[in-house]
Amino acid sequence: GAVVSQHPSWVICKSGTSVKIECRSLDFQATTMFWYRQFPKQSLMLMATSNEGSKATYEQGVEKDKFLINHASLTLSTLTVTSAHPEDSSFYICSAHRPGGGPDTQYFGPGTRLTVL
Amino acid sequence: QKEVEQNSGPLSVPEGAIASLNCTYSDRGSQSFFWYRQYSGKSPELIMFIYSNGDKEDGRFTAQLNKASQYVSLLIRDSQPSDSATYLCAVVTGGGNKLTFGTGTQLKVEL
Repeated sequence: GAVVSQHPSWVICKSGTSVKIECRSLDFQATTMFWYRQFPKQSLMLMATSNEGSKATYEQGVEKDKFLINHASLTLSTLTVTSAHPEDSSFYICSAHRPGGGPDTQYFGPGTRLTVL
Repeated sequence: QKEVEQNSGPLSVPEGAIASLNCTYSDRGSQSFFWYRQYSGKSPELIMFIYSNGDKEDGRFTAQLNKASQYVSLLIRDSQPSDSATYLCAVVTGGGNKLTFGTGTQLKVEL
């Protein structure tokens, strides 16, 4: 299957700081990437859909000014958590969709664990 | 009503037995159905997907879909301790590729 990477794999930051998480598709160009958040013992919740060259589409209840998404190239999308607070501590997972395929060609990154102190 | 529902478990089965995992969904327009396995602290990995009513087999895994009952299941034959994980059911509704996940069922395969 295709390879999607995330960086960093884990990050600890102080409350009020901003954290940037990168998602890269390593062996294909992804016009669409998705960002999910997963709290302990809960399911993945889609936060936003990131489309290359256009603004991200956020799910209901997700603050677009707090979670900034930039899909600047066909292989890179970034999620910036601005003014992070302890309640933002979570497991953030991205996925990249291979163009031309169906939903089964959505490949997940390994995730980034964010801890806000 | 949640869009995708699963029993959280844990579901405990002995090694070598068949594990049966179930999922129901609320939107009758749902078109694509997926089973993901997620180990603790890791991201999900795709096990099976099914689009049509009936059964689909891949090795020890069988996905079953009944659109009339809005029900999809995953059978794992000859369960192994390495199958112990949380199994997430996901659904795509309408066009596009947005996945809606259930809360997952924790499976424990005991020696």
